[in-house]
Amino acid sequence: ELKVEQNPLFLSMQEGKNYTIYCNYSTTSDRLYWYRQDPGKSLESLFVLLSNGAVKQEGRLMASLDTKARLSTLHITAAVHDLSATYFCAVGNQFYFGTGTSLTVIP
Amino acid sequence: DTAVSQTPKYLVTQMGNDKSIKCEQNLGHDTMYWYKQDSKKFLKIMFSYNNKELIINETVPNRFSPKSPDKAHLNLHINSLELGDSAVYFCASSPGTQGNTIYFGEGSWLTVV
Repeated sequence: ELKVEQNPLFLSMQEGKNYTIYCNYSTTSDRLYWYRQDPGKSLESLFVLLSNGAVKQEGRLMASLDTKARLSTLHITAAVHDLSATYFCAVGNQFYFGTGTSLTVIP
Repeated sequence: DTAVSQTPKYLVTQMGNDKSIKCEQNLGHDTMYWYKQDSKKFLKIMFSYNNKELIINETVPNRFSPKSPDKAHLNLHINSLELGDSAVYFCASSPGTQGNTIYFGEGSWLTVV
């Protein structure tokens, strides 16, 4: 079974700061997805990365994929409170999800 | 219009009961999924169907039985419910099996008492 690990599991950061969430996976895949989940809500698609070196940006979030390193990053720039949520990466055609990173942005 | 809809949204039931969760998507997608999210927010795929055919069947107890009457529906039936089955169950769909993004339903909160 494909294993997908995220680091850190919990992240508390101050508004205005930058941080990166890491997603490592165990077997070869050229597809990786990032999702956001607000408390008590469903999952919302953020990014779809379909090739090595892919980089996508939306607002204060930027995602990248290094298929050789089996690593994706989700970079947060100048965090704001509205970004508080749990972020998941998912890998492969069968969408195996990572462990999730619970982000809290503190004023 | 809700793209992926699940019913019921909340379900509280006693141990040993049998229950079903229904899922329907109106996106015209070929592939549907069931995921289980536990209290620690771990999200694990349970089943995946493509055009009514089972393509993923992860290690779940055989008390869980999916049924896809057509490609727009994927229902989950659970027999002899146990306390450990308490979780949020998400239905999802995607256009195919080759890496398209997937769209999630709102989730069904199952509590077994």
